[in-house]
Amino acid sequence: GAVVSQHPSRVICKSGTSVKIECRSLDFQATTMFWYRQFPKQSLMLMATSNEGSKATYEQGVEKDKFLINHASLTLSTLTVTSAHPEDSSFYICSAGRQGGSIYSNQPQHFGDGTRLSIL
Amino acid sequence: SQKIEQNSEALNIQEGKTATLTCNYTNYSPAYLQWYRQDPGRGPVFLLLIRENEKEKRKERLKVTFDTTLKQSLFHITASQPADSATYLCALDPGTGGFKTIFGAGTRLFVKA
Repeated sequence: GAVVSQHPSRVICKSGTSVKIECRSLDFQATTMFWYRQFPKQSLMLMATSNEGSKATYEQGVEKDKFLINHASLTLSTLTVTSAHPEDSSFYICSAGRQGGSIYSNQPQHFGDGTRLSIL
Repeated sequence: SQKIEQNSEALNIQEGKTATLTCNYTNYSPAYLQWYRQDPGRGPVFLLLIRENEKEKRKERLKVTFDTTLKQSLFHITASQPADSATYLCALDPGTGGFKTIFGAGTRLFVKA
């Protein structure tokens, strides 16, 4: 079964609304989780690395004030899209690695089922 | 520039045949390469990992090859089934430090009954 749970699966809301997405590791502790964004027929783009107990590390070009990340516990990371606008509409996916949550490519990543965000 | 290329055109094959998907990369020296399956509206699911010193890796009906000279990985599904229809992503470590996995855009596979 799934080891990473993401909620909600779909959000439709008006422009200017802030939206919170939750990512939980169900049967393991993840000190690090990752947030991706995916546009249709395009690759996963890493947005940020969420670190338990410390600030997230954002990729170049990602607005940290726009995409707030909180890693409240060893099993929960949240992404809040603040004052969302239509251009923020996308598919957001989180992931974690079982072994310490590293993004090292020798460790498979376990992904949530994603959140489809539509801003009207 | 650095690139990961997967065939953007969908691959259509008949049930029972072998599907072969290609992942080419340029200006990277990955130590590892991974393959994932992604269904519409879902997150990717890990399938196989192959190391640079491994030529081939198998798991049930799946086979992955890794040619660091050609800078290419091939992903094979033998005895394909309609349930194998999905998008398949390759992912690699760029080998430039930072160890951040980079994903290709994926190839859509359709297996017809």
